[in-house]
Amino acid sequence: QVQLQQSGAELVKPGSSVKMSCKASGYTFTSYYIYWIKQRPGQGLEWIGRIGPGSGDTNYNEKFKGKATFTVDKSSSTAYMQLSSLTPEDTAVYYCAVGFRYWGQGVMVTVSS
Amino acid sequence: DVVLTQTPVSLSVTLGDQASISCRSSQSLEYSDGYTYLEWYLQKPGQSPQLLIYGVSNRFSGVPDRFIGSGSGTDFTLKISRVEPEDLGVYYCFQATHDPYTFGAGTKLELK
Repeated sequence: QVQLQQSGAELVKPGSSVKMSCKASGYTFTSYYIYWIKQRPGQGLEWIGRIGPGSGDTNYNEKFKGKATFTVDKSSSTAYMQLSSLTPEDTAVYYCAVGFRYWGQGVMVTVSS
Repeated sequence: DVVLTQTPVSLSVTLGDQASISCRSSQSLEYSDGYTYLEWYLQKPGQSPQLLIYGVSNRFSGVPDRFIGSGSGTDFTLKISRVEPEDLGVYYCFQATHDPYTFGAGTKLELK
């Protein structure tokens, strides 16, 4: 069965960066886009962008260009998202999803000094 | 960006009732290939969103047939007949026709 296992919660300081992982299993990793979604506490969902693991092709929501960077490691079927220049507005749960059909459990990122 | 307006914001129901959620788009969601990339998700408390409906009216694997999606163009509806306890949570519509993809603000389904 398709599973996406995300890395653990992060507490980071303003101005720093964080890199989270999303390990896929149960399907051919290179065949489907991985999407990243943001959910601020008590708020709705925002699409950050996507990466094609086979090609490395990326597509970012304009709002997150310069904030988010997607990469993949095909050898371990793992996708990564790095968030830079963190501010309190980046405090959120970040989800990865494959084709929006299957979702990871989310990573809670807290930005606080 | 495409704005998806969901109504109502919250919906109080009795178990066994029917519930209906509207999702209106600021632009037509029919893509040039003729497909309409409108989906519905349910997020239960403390959980990740789960796909219910894709392509306006297609139920995802394992989704009960009491969930019915309909609509076209800019107006879409999710109906839940005979609400059960596991249906409670926040429902989101979502469009992947136009870049950037966008979600509605959500409709909270709760018990009366």
